[in-house]
Amino acid sequence: AQTVTQSQPEMSVQEAETVTLSCTYDTSESDYYLFWYKQPPSRQMILVIRQEAYKQQNATENRFSVNFQKAAKSFSLKISDSQLGDAAMYFCAYLGSSNTGKLIFGQGTTLQVKP
Amino acid sequence: DTAVSQTPKYLVTQMGNDKSIKCEQNLGHDTMYWYKQDSKKFLKIMFSYNNKELIINETVPNRFSPKSPDKAHLNLHINSLELGDSAVYFCASSRIAGGVKNIQYFGAGTRLSVL
Repeated sequence: AQTVTQSQPEMSVQEAETVTLSCTYDTSESDYYLFWYKQPPSRQMILVIRQEAYKQQNATENRFSVNFQKAAKSFSLKISDSQLGDAAMYFCAYLGSSNTGKLIFGQGTTLQVKP
Repeated sequence: DTAVSQTPKYLVTQMGNDKSIKCEQNLGHDTMYWYKQDSKKFLKIMFSYNNKELIINETVPNRFSPKSPDKAHLNLHINSLELGDSAVYFCASSRIAGGVKNIQYFGAGTRLSVL
């Protein structure tokens, strides 16, 4: 069974600085997809960034980028120029190739942004 | 216009009662989901429907019964509520069930408190 692990329960960053959130996963599949979701205090789950496993190029979305290391089964999220609005819980998620849409989430990392 | 809307946002009820949570999406998506987020913020899928057909049924007590009257709606009915059912329940939808295009859009969640 696939698992997703986020080993950092909490992280903090100074406004305008860069922070990296870690995620590792375990799977025997070769084709899969990885996501980072953000959950601010409003509770709404918001997609931040996604990555196809077959793509070697790391995904980027404005200030958000990932470091995808397929062999190491690692999928970290880098937030550059952190803003107060980035404060939230961040979830790493795995989607396998079974075409059921079953997202498997990590435990989450709470990010605090200090002014 | 809210893409995925859940009602109610908050639900407080007594043990043993029966309650329903409604979910509607106006995105024209084919697949809808129910997730449960427990007190430790861990998110886990419960059910998934594709074109009104059940495709995921995780190990969920049969007191939980999803119902999809049409593609745009997926309701969750819970019988004989127990203290352990207290959680935040999220509805989500996606255009398709598999692949990177499976971007799941989440509702704002329903916080269920069983007293």
